[in-house]
Amino acid sequence: DTAVSQTPKYLVTQMGNDKSIKCEQNLGHDTMYWYKQDSKKFLKIMFSYNNKELIINETVPNRFSPKSPDKAHLNLHINSLELGDSAVYFCASSPTHSGNTIYFGEGSWLTVV
Amino acid sequence: KQEVTQIPAALSVPEGENLVLNCSFTDSAIYNLQWFRQDPGKGLTSLLLIQSSQREQTSGRLNASLDKSSGRSTLYIAASQPGDSATYLCAVEDDYKLSFGAGTTVTVRA
Repeated sequence: DTAVSQTPKYLVTQMGNDKSIKCEQNLGHDTMYWYKQDSKKFLKIMFSYNNKELIINETVPNRFSPKSPDKAHLNLHINSLELGDSAVYFCASSPTHSGNTIYFGEGSWLTVV
Repeated sequence: KQEVTQIPAALSVPEGENLVLNCSFTDSAIYNLQWFRQDPGKGLTSLLLIQSSQREQTSGRLNASLDKSSGRSTLYIAASQPGDSATYLCAVEDDYKLSFGAGTTVTVRA
């Protein structure tokens, strides 16, 4: 069983569209994250949720809206997609929001054309 | 703002040679430091986590050291194998989030 799973793995869409990426973890962790890896391979945190509560929102445009229906799920919805949104988006989870190993999903490759 | 630097950006070694990967960070007030491995087209796999109070961690052929006061960590991989070829990322945790370096891409030649 995959510990942190995210769908879709690949997504190609046109500018201006709205899309969602879903993430689920079966590790029983309290904390979930979204990270973005750009073309230069830098990974940066976007959001962090602990027990469904937002604890980090790292200066991300309002077009990005995370939603956590329960602590095992953290979905990412993106409105009005722009070319610059093309990147790999990683979901991750950890037992608590500090001091623990973080487990990553395999990534969702988003290409905006 | 925490900045994490990894040197070198890429490394190619013959099989059997020991690997030394370096990571430096600008703010020493960290909770922990983690080393990850990333294979092409895959997510990150955690290799070692060193808490701020620790000096090193070991797992099999991997050993990571942490010198918090000087803002440095080193990952040693003994007796490298072709299967060790990957990108290795260093990340420090502070303020409830990880700051990542750009990684060192390692190629181990058979």
